Amino acid sequence: QKEVEQDPGPLSVPEGAIVSLNCTYSNSAFQYFMWYRQYSRKGPELLMYTYSSGNKEDGRFTAQVDKSSKYISLFIRDSQPSDSATYLCAMDKSNYQLIWGAGTKLIIKP
Amino acid sequence: GAGVSQSPSNKVTEKGKDVELRCDPISGHTALYWYRQSLGQGLEFLIYFQGNSAPDKSGLPSDRFSAERTGGSVSTLTIQRTQQEDSAVYLCASSASGGAGETQYFGPGTRLLVL
Repeated sequence: QKEVEQDPGPLSVPEGAIVSLNCTYSNSAFQYFMWYRQYSRKGPELLMYTYSSGNKEDGRFTAQVDKSSKYISLFIRDSQPSDSATYLCAMDKSNYQLIWGAGTKLIIKP
Repeated sequence: GAGVSQSPSNKVTEKGKDVELRCDPISGHTALYWYRQSLGQGLEFLIYFQGNSAPDKSGLPSDRFSAERTGGSVSTLTIQRTQQEDSAVYLCASSASGGAGETQYFGPGTRLLVL
C-alpha cells in the first residue's frame, strides 16, 4: 500500500463548479501538507500549504486537513478553464523528503 | 529573479547510451532535489543535496544513476547504459535550506525517451 493515495482522474467539471480533490495517507507522522499544481509540460508549483490540522483559505482555494481521518482536501470555488492542470498532494515527515500522491488531472470545461 | 532551469528540455537516446541532465537552481538556494516522474505517476525522489553535506542518495534506483553538485550550485544527473524503463520526466527542484515543509521550486523538467 502506498503511503499517499490519490485518484489520478481525470476529473472533468463545467466552468463555475466547485471542485473537490482529495488524498488519503497512512503515516500519522506527517505534519506538513501541500498541494502543488502542475500545468502540462511544466514543473509543479506550490499552491497551498498547511501545517498539522485545520483549514486554510486563499482566494478561490481552500485546503483542509483532517489528521484523525488521515485525509486532506483541496476545494476550488468558481472553477475556471485556467485551473485545468494536474494537482499533486505532498506530505512531509518533518525532514526534507516529501511523499507525493500520483496527482489528479483536472479538466474544467468552458 | 530567475527560476530553476534544466537542460536539455528533451532528450532522445538509444538504449545503452549514457545521458547527462543538468539543473541550475535558484541562486542562494542550498538544497537541491532530483525527482523522476513517469506517466500518470507521482514524483519519485532520487537524490538530495544540502550545502556541503553528503547527499542523500537513497532514492537512486540503480548504480547506473549518479549525480553531483559542483560548487554548491549546478547539478548533473547522469544515467549510464540507459534502459527503456528510464524513459520519464526528470525534475529538479531547489529550496532555500532544505527545512521541513519548505517550498520546493521546480524546473520545467527534462523529458527523456530511451529507444
